[in-house]
Amino acid sequence: GENVEQHPSTLSVQEGDSAVIKCTYSDSASNYFPWYKQELGKRPQLIIDIRSNVGEKKDQRIAVTLNKTAKHFSLHITETQPEDSAVYFCAASMGNFNKFYFGSGTKLNVKP
Amino acid sequence: DAGVTQSPTHLIKTRGQQVTLRCSPKSGHDTVSWYQQALGQGPQFIFQYYEEEERQRGNFPDRFSGHQFPNYSSELNVNALWLGDSALYLCASSPRRNLREQYFGPGTRLTVT
Repeated sequence: GENVEQHPSTLSVQEGDSAVIKCTYSDSASNYFPWYKQELGKRPQLIIDIRSNVGEKKDQRIAVTLNKTAKHFSLHITETQPEDSAVYFCAASMGNFNKFYFGSGTKLNVKP
Repeated sequence: DAGVTQSPTHLIKTRGQQVTLRCSPKSGHDTVSWYQQALGQGPQFIFQYYEEEERQRGNFPDRFSGHQFPNYSSELNVNALWLGDSALYLCASSPRRNLREQYFGPGTRLTVT
């Protein structure tokens, strides 16, 4: 089955700096890559996603890039704010999107 | 719209016991997926239900079973509980026409002692 690895496990940045979280996947058949944000004690929420026919997608301060050849994708957050502090999960899915494989998460701490 | 709801919020069980967790999907969603999230880990896919049948299954033993009702709500049953079953159990619902649109519930925190 698919294996998704995520790095780093923790990331601390100063408010206003950028943050980058990286994920790799093993199955070249994966074609959909969402990112979720989970605040303490709350449900995971989708923040951005990308399909395999696109190399980059942006939504205000967040962007996701995908390198299909290398089988890795990254989340970029610019101008970080304290409210960006949370655990971020990457995931991969293939085919009919029946099954999602998640990374182990990155705890982002934005220091004011 | 209340979104995805799950019950109970917290649960404490003893090894060997059985547990049933419940999920009501978001309005308009007909597909329900269950995930197990151990502390400090990402969610792991257990199975997915659509039209009252299990459609996909992750790498979980037969002790984990489920059910979907005609109103699209779902139950997750775990038999012969192990200490290692302690986790947050998340339910996610989607419309069948767009399974990428996963909406998670708040989860049920299960503690096995």
